[in-house]
Amino acid sequence: GAVVSQHPSWVICKSGTSVKIECRSLDFQATTMFWYRQFPKQSLMLMATSNEGSKATYEQGVEKDKFLINHASLTLSTLTVTSAHPEDSSFYICSGSGAYNEQFFGPGTRLTVL
Amino acid sequence: AQTVTQSQPEMSVQEAETVTLSCTYDTSESDYYLFWYKQPPSRQMILVIRQEAYKQQNATENRFSVNFQKAAKSFSLKISDSQLGDAAMYFCAYRRGSQGNLIFGKGTKLSVKP
Repeated sequence: GAVVSQHPSWVICKSGTSVKIECRSLDFQATTMFWYRQFPKQSLMLMATSNEGSKATYEQGVEKDKFLINHASLTLSTLTVTSAHPEDSSFYICSGSGAYNEQFFGPGTRLTVL
Repeated sequence: AQTVTQSQPEMSVQEAETVTLSCTYDTSESDYYLFWYKQPPSRQMILVIRQEAYKQQNATENRFSVNFQKAAKSFSLKISDSQLGDAAMYFCAYRRGSQGNLIFGKGTKLSVKP
């Protein structure tokens, strides 16, 4: 299957700071990127969907001003958590979808906000 | 809205034995796909098997097979000849159409006893 990378794999930050997570499709063009959040011992919940060159569509209850998503190219999408707080601590996973509508998941990013 | 239900939070199987994980879903759509994903401790999501709703034949991938009961909206996963490496969280997922995000069940934690 195709490869999706995420960086960083683990980040610790202080409350009030911003954190950027990168998601890259390494060997295919991801026309659509999905961002999921997974709290400990819970399932994956969709946060937002982004199509290359368009504004992201956010799920109900997800603050678009807090979770900024940029999908400026077919191989890169970024999620910026602005003014992070301890309740934002979670595991963030991206997945890319390309020409064959298959979804490929990144390895995830663990965010810990102190 | 579509929902996915996994009623077994935890399951256990003896090595080399067979285990079945249950999943039910609710949708009014006719075009959809169903998936089983495995999430090992590394938390990388791994596609186990997929089923297109329009296909009557149950999908099979080596030791993994599904029992797709469309009328009952049931989609169970059977793992034959269980191996220690099968131990993981298993998520059932639904996707409307050939594109779009995945909707996950809460997951089943599978333990494999040697």
